[in-house]
Amino acid sequence: QLQLQESGPGLVKPSETLSLTCTVSGGSLSSSSYYWGWIRQPPGKGLEWIGNIYYNGFTYYNPSLQSRVTIIIDTSQNQFSLKLSSVTATDTAVYYCGRHERSENYPRWIDYWGQGTLVTVSS
Amino acid sequence: DIVMTQSPDSLAVSLGERATINCKSSQSVLYRSNNKNYLAWFQQKPGQPPKLLIFWASTRESGVPDRFSGSGSGTDFTLTISSLQAEDVAVYYCQQYYTTPLTFGQGTKLEI
Repeated sequence: QLQLQESGPGLVKPSETLSLTCTVSGGSLSSSSYYWGWIRQPPGKGLEWIGNIYYNGFTYYNPSLQSRVTIIIDTSQNQFSLKLSSVTATDTAVYYCGRHERSENYPRWIDYWGQGTLVTVSS
Repeated sequence: DIVMTQSPDSLAVSLGERATINCKSSQSVLYRSNNKNYLAWFQQKPGQPPKLLIFWASTRESGVPDRFSGSGSGTDFTLTISSLQAEDVAVYYCQQYYTTPLTFGQGTKLEI
C-alpha cells in the first residue's frame, strides 16, 4: 500500500524559506505513470495546488506561487521536496504531498495523499 | 485559471435522504477529442487529508460506496449521495484537471 509522509519544521519565520520533504513508501517515484505534488490548505479554508514534479524532474507550478516555489525529486531516496521562499503569514497552512495520476503527459487527480503537516509562519 | 464554484456552501440532510452538491466551472472541462470531463470529487473529514471519490466526473474510485455518484458535463457537475449515512458528514470538494493550474472548488460542508 502506497504511503506518503510529510516532514519538516512546523514553524518558519517571516521572510525565510519553508522546506518540506515527502517520503514515499510502498511504491517508486520512478514510475512513469504518476506525478508527485504539493497542495496546501490554510486553517479552515480550501485547497490550493502548489505544483507537481515528474520522475525526470519536469515540473508544473501554480503561477500564483511560481516565483517562490521549487520542487525537487530524489528517486534514489524515494523523496521529493518543496521549498517556498520569502514566506509570510498567508503561507500558514497544512501542507499535503500527494500522488497525481498522469494522463496525456499532464498531472490529473490525486489518488494518494499524505496526512499533512501544519506549517505556521510567525516570528 | 479555471474557477470552480460549488453550491451550496453548506447543506443539512437527514439520514437516509439524498444529498446533492453542485460544481460549476468557469470554462468547459470537457475534452472533445476523447469526450471526457476532467473533473474529480473529494471528501475531507476533520483532521484528515482529502479522499478521492470520483474522477472523470463519474468514475467511482475503487472502494468508494456506490451511494456516491457523479454526473454532469461541460461546465456543470453534480455529486449525489443517494442515501446519507452518518459517516458521510464531511466537506466535499470538486477539482478540475483540464489544465494547470489545477483548481478546486471552495468546498461544501455536509451535515446531518
